[in-house]
Amino acid sequence: AQSVTQPDIHITVSEGASLELRCNYSYGATPYLFWYVQSPGQGLQLLLKYFSGDTLVQGIKGFEAEFKRSQSSFNLRKPSVHWSDAAEYFCAVYGQNFVFGPGTRLSVLP
Amino acid sequence: ETGVTQTPRHLVMGMTNKKSLKCEQHLGHNAMYWYKQSAKKPLELMFVYSLEERVENNSVPSRFSPECPNSSHLFLHLHTLQPEDSALYLCASSQGARGAGNTIYFGEGSWLTVV
Repeated sequence: AQSVTQPDIHITVSEGASLELRCNYSYGATPYLFWYVQSPGQGLQLLLKYFSGDTLVQGIKGFEAEFKRSQSSFNLRKPSVHWSDAAEYFCAVYGQNFVFGPGTRLSVLP
Repeated sequence: ETGVTQTPRHLVMGMTNKKSLKCEQHLGHNAMYWYKQSAKKPLELMFVYSLEERVENNSVPSRFSPECPNSSHLFLHLHTLQPEDSALYLCASSQGARGAGNTIYFGEGSWLTVV
């Protein structure tokens, strides 16, 4: 069975600081990996996805993620956070079906 | 504009009421989903429809009744709900319910409050 963990429930960073959100998965083969963002009161918006090829993928809003097979990780990064990035971030895995992580809430200090 | 439209965005209903949530996708997808999102809980997959046929039902109580009349529309009929059913209900769609390269696209959600 596949699973996804996001070790950090809540992260706070200052505006302009760099960001890394962690995601680890468990699956017997190489899964398809996704990051979604959810602003308060909204649905989930796809930030980026990894299917194959280059392990560093670029997404919308200046986000990127790196797939590391050896660590079963797919961490999300952004070099400089903006106040509008405050939201809930979900990592998801597609192996036999979609499985979402519990989410990481990002707060941004001015 | 997400390509998946949900109505109503907010719904308050009594425990004896009957109401429905509606979802429409404009992406040409063949699969549609209902998810439930409660406070402090992970996303819960409720139902999956592929080509208008229900392919997954994750032990959802019968007071939730889905309907998929065609590949673009999905309904969630609500009947005699409980206060603990108050949550954000998210509709989503994808090109197929199974298969490589699948990506799920979500609607904005319908906030349901049961009083």
